[in-house]
Amino acid sequence: EIVLTQSPGTLSLSPGERATLSCRASQSIRSSDLALVSWYQQKPGQAPRLLIYGASNRASGIPDRFSGSGSGTDFTLTISRLEPEDFAVYYCQQYGPFGQGTKVEIK
Amino acid sequence: QQQLQESGPGLVKPSETLSLTCTISGGSIKNSFYYWGWIRQPPGKGLEWIGTISYSGSTSTYYNPSLNSRVTISVDTSKDQFSLKLTSVTAADTAVYYCASFCSSSRCPAGAFDIWGQGTLVTVSS
Repeated sequence: EIVLTQSPGTLSLSPGERATLSCRASQSIRSSDLALVSWYQQKPGQAPRLLIYGASNRASGIPDRFSGSGSGTDFTLTISRLEPEDFAVYYCQQYGPFGQGTKVEIK
Repeated sequence: QQQLQESGPGLVKPSETLSLTCTISGGSIKNSFYYWGWIRQPPGKGLEWIGTISYSGSTSTYYNPSLNSRVTISVDTSKDQFSLKLTSVTAADTAVYYCASFCSSSRCPAGAFDIWGQGTLVTVSS
């Protein structure tokens, strides 16, 4: 069973700054379409929203300030310039399991 | 546009069985592009994958090993629904339960839960 570990637990940044979130898998993720990492954003009281799938593909309607990269065991979600609506919790996921989340909060 | 909606009791007694249903609208449970999953979130905590079911004539199920002995996911093709049963519940099973569609095709966001229900809070208490 693959375990996904996200870091940092909390990221304190100001609007306009760049956010870099990490997701590390306990073993190398085989490169099939269903096994690559996805990223989700969740705001309080809401269901998660898909941002990135297949490690680097933006989901429909997701702004291009969100980007994903990585392969093997190390994956990254980057928000190039934080907007006020981007302050939320972010989760990575691979096939089934989720990481424990990174909270992006206003500094 | 496909939508998902969870339904079921909001309160379950300890040691009893939690039962939830997810109804698909604007789509079909027989859609070969999708698997169907359940995810939960205890209050103030992160997301936990419970399990996923695929239907393409016959069903295949995939469960979180930590819940495997207590979980059953099934489908009702006549109603475009899939269901979750979790036995022998305790207070630790109190959570918001989400159903979601998992894309298994290049025709949609492959490998991701792309459409989610709004979630339903289930409290385990006597």
